Amino acid sequence: AQSVTQPDIHITVSEGASLELRCNYSYGATPYLFWYVQSPGQGLQLLLKYFSGDTLVQGIKGFEAEFKRSQSSFNLRKPSVHWSDAAEYFCAVGSASGYSTLTFGKGTMLLVSP
Amino acid sequence: DVKVTQSSRYLVKRTGEKVFLECVQDMDHENMFWYRQDPGLGLRLIYFSYDVKMKEKGDIPEGYSVSREKKERFSLILESASTNQTSMYLCASSPGLAGALTSTDTQYFGPGTRLTVL
Repeated sequence: AQSVTQPDIHITVSEGASLELRCNYSYGATPYLFWYVQSPGQGLQLLLKYFSGDTLVQGIKGFEAEFKRSQSSFNLRKPSVHWSDAAEYFCAVGSASGYSTLTFGKGTMLLVSP
Repeated sequence: DVKVTQSSRYLVKRTGEKVFLECVQDMDHENMFWYRQDPGLGLRLIYFSYDVKMKEKGDIPEGYSVSREKKERFSLILESASTNQTSMYLCASSPGLAGALTSTDTQYFGPGTRLTVL
């Protein structure tokens, strides 16, 4: 069965500093990988996704993620964090076979300090 | 823009009541999903549907049922609500054929319904 681990429950970053959120997945074949963001009181919004090809994926709001098969990781990065980036971030893995369901990690809450 | 709407943002019910949570999407998506979200547990899939009148159990279907009579609408039903079903419920939809995940697939989420069962 596929699974996703987000090792950090909370992360605090100073505004303007760089950010990296970690995501490790477990899946037998080539995974489909996603990052979603959830602002307080809102549903989830897709930041970016990886299906194949270039392992560095660009997303919205200045985010990017890199797929590293050897490390089973799909870490999310942003060079300079803004206060509005404070939210909860979810990594998810999907399968190319079977149904189009996703397995989500437990999330990382990002706090941005002034 | 894809829009997924949920019938209520906040709902308070009593133990034993039958509860209906409604979800509507306006993009003619094949797939629809119901998740519950709890602190520290992330999102867990309750049920999903890949076609009208078709449904599949997710990871935590116990205590829930679903209905999809029309393509745009997917209902989650709590037959007899219990306090451990107090949670945030999120609905999502995605395009796709016969349920299979493709490179164009993205799940679009509604704003959620925060259900409290007293």
